[in-house]
Amino acid sequence: NAGVTQTPKFQVLKTGQSMTLQCAQDMNHEYMSWYRQDPGMGLRLIHYSVGAGITDQGEVPNGYNVSRSTTEDFPLRLLSAAPSQTSVYFCASNRDSSSYEQYFGPGTRLTVT
Amino acid sequence: AQSVTQLGSHVSVSEGALVLLRCNYSSSVPPYLFWYVQYPNQGLQLLLKYTTGATLVKGINGFEAEFKKSETSFHLTKPSAHMSDAAEYFCAVRKGGATNKLIFGTGTLLAVQP
Repeated sequence: NAGVTQTPKFQVLKTGQSMTLQCAQDMNHEYMSWYRQDPGMGLRLIHYSVGAGITDQGEVPNGYNVSRSTTEDFPLRLLSAAPSQTSVYFCASNRDSSSYEQYFGPGTRLTVT
Repeated sequence: AQSVTQLGSHVSVSEGALVLLRCNYSSSVPPYLFWYVQYPNQGLQLLLKYTTGATLVKGINGFEAEFKKSETSFHLTKPSAHMSDAAEYFCAVRKGGATNKLIFGTGTLLAVQP
């Protein structure tokens, strides 16, 4: 199993550009989440999904969009990048509603200039 | 509401010394508690977890944590630090409700001096 994979590893965007961060898992997990990690703030939940076709907002959803058309994939879209979105983004998955153990991808380091 | 407080954003120990990373929680539901470790330029991985049962839980790499309800604490310890333990450590508590979301602390960066 590859676990949770994320692409790209690094990205630089200009303000106003859009892009999609990719996340995939091969563990057949129902739940998937996106977090951003900023210094001194820990991890904050952006969006999450409890199954294909079902998504919901986390703590900091503004400026981000998600969809979940398959169990495996959970892309995160930045609609119009802003410098405040400079961060490290982590995708995570967990098996189902009874499992709190999350498996994390390696992260995408995004810089918006 | 659930929350986690990690005391000390930076902790430095000597190799071979005791590691103690502090975590206090607040939870309106029976707490499920977790410690995750993040090595440089990597994602987080689970060190250990407490859900129910024995209050002293053992994790990977010689770490353990004790759930103390009376103190609302879940401190992480390791008797003897190794250079490879240098990383950032995150405490987390389950949010409760219909989802299985976790609330993470702000992290403690552990440095191990030779």
